[in-house]
Amino acid sequence: GAGVSQSPRYKVAKRGQDVALRCDPISGHVSLFWYQQALGQGPEFLTYFQNEAQLDKSGLPSDRFFAERPEGSVSTLKIQRTQQEDSAVYLCASSLAGGWGQETQYFGPGTRLLVL
Amino acid sequence: AQTVTQSQPEMSVQEAETVTLSCTYDTSESDYYLFWYKQPPSRQMILVIRQEAYKQQNATENRFSVNFQKAAKSFSLKISDSQLGDAAMYFCAYRSARSVNNDMRFGAGTRLTVKP
Repeated sequence: GAGVSQSPRYKVAKRGQDVALRCDPISGHVSLFWYQQALGQGPEFLTYFQNEAQLDKSGLPSDRFFAERPEGSVSTLKIQRTQQEDSAVYLCASSLAGGWGQETQYFGPGTRLLVL
Repeated sequence: AQTVTQSQPEMSVQEAETVTLSCTYDTSESDYYLFWYKQPPSRQMILVIRQEAYKQQNATENRFSVNFQKAAKSFSLKISDSQLGDAAMYFCAYRSARSVNNDMRFGAGTRLTVKP
């Protein structure tokens, strides 16, 4: 595709529900990143994939957060037993190669999650 | 840990005028990359400009330029001849040059308003 896409764009969940957020990176991009952006804040790193391998998950806030990229393309971020503090915009980004250094990350439009 | 600080939550500029957005960062590393990202109301983050720390020359991209002061750990963005389309949130970001560190650290952002 022309850019990174994410779905759904908006998600309202009741506290305790599980949610799944999808990211379609730019075709052929090796690296994929997930970020969490709280209201009025900058994005915060959650996790990083190189192809299907999750090389860094140090930013995941709790074991309720789980991400996968089984075939090295589409990725899903799953949040179990959602809490109100999980309300945020979840951004996905992809990059062509290893994703480090000066390499450009291309961001998707984000999924705005509201937990009631 | 590296931190990025943007001390101006909001800035405003008259169309066609010049504005400077401030960013400071804290790191003990000598090699790293700095970025400015723009996030319009549609929320898709776009790379504006980047700077390699080992380069003394300030990066420029058309109307956008940076003032990189490595000793002061300062990285400001200057927008010349401001246009209405420049209105957005601007985020300063830091990334280590070490390949094991893939995450980007973002500041809290500066909301830029452009007045016609």
